[in-house]
Amino acid sequence: DARVTQTPRDKVTEMGQEVTMRCQPILGHNTVFWYRQTMKQGLELLAYFRNRAPLDDSGMPKDRFSAEMPDATLATLKIQPSEPRDSAVYFCASGMGQGTFGAQYFGPGTRLLVL
Amino acid sequence: DQQVKQNSPSLSVQEGRISILNCDYTNSMFDYFLWYKKYPAEGPTFLISISSIKDKNEDGRFTVFLNKSAKHLSLHIVPSQPGDSAVYFCAASATDSWGKLQFGAGTQVVVTP
Repeated sequence: DARVTQTPRDKVTEMGQEVTMRCQPILGHNTVFWYRQTMKQGLELLAYFRNRAPLDDSGMPKDRFSAEMPDATLATLKIQPSEPRDSAVYFCASGMGQGTFGAQYFGPGTRLLVL
Repeated sequence: DQQVKQNSPSLSVQEGRISILNCDYTNSMFDYFLWYKKYPAEGPTFLISISSIKDKNEDGRFTVFLNKSAKHLSLHIVPSQPGDSAVYFCAASATDSWGKLQFGAGTQVVVTP
């Protein structure tokens, strides 16, 4: 049963600390997405990669957020320094980038609380 | 700028009856639409999709209808089951920006016995 995995599932940290979230996409998927869900904004796309290359990170606050894909089995989202407004659930999703018609499959999310 | 709108935040339906969820969009460039279901503390689960070349797609109890002229799509669940109680998200993307899914705010469905 192939699925996207994310670690950690929950993270509580203090303002100013660095936070790193990890994602293992489904084997064979060539596109990886990072989303953030908040009550106010709903689900919003932060960044995505295809074949490990960043395609779009326009949804991400550039000054403190960074996303990388060191290899095909690992994607990371880093926040440095973290702020209370970053508190949200962060989802990773993967899919096959075959033109338009492909679904994205989501991981269980990382629930982040910044105090 | 909310390009995908789900105007009903909640829906209550009796077990065995039909659930109809609605979604409207404003961007005429959208040509691929998806529905996701989400349980608490889990990620959204892909349910069903439809491309703009079709007006209907079925998968078991789930049917999605697309009305391009009205920029409207709907998800029908027949018959509704208790396990269908979840939040349902509508999402859309355009060919020239594959991957940039725009999500609606979600509709909480409660299926009652």
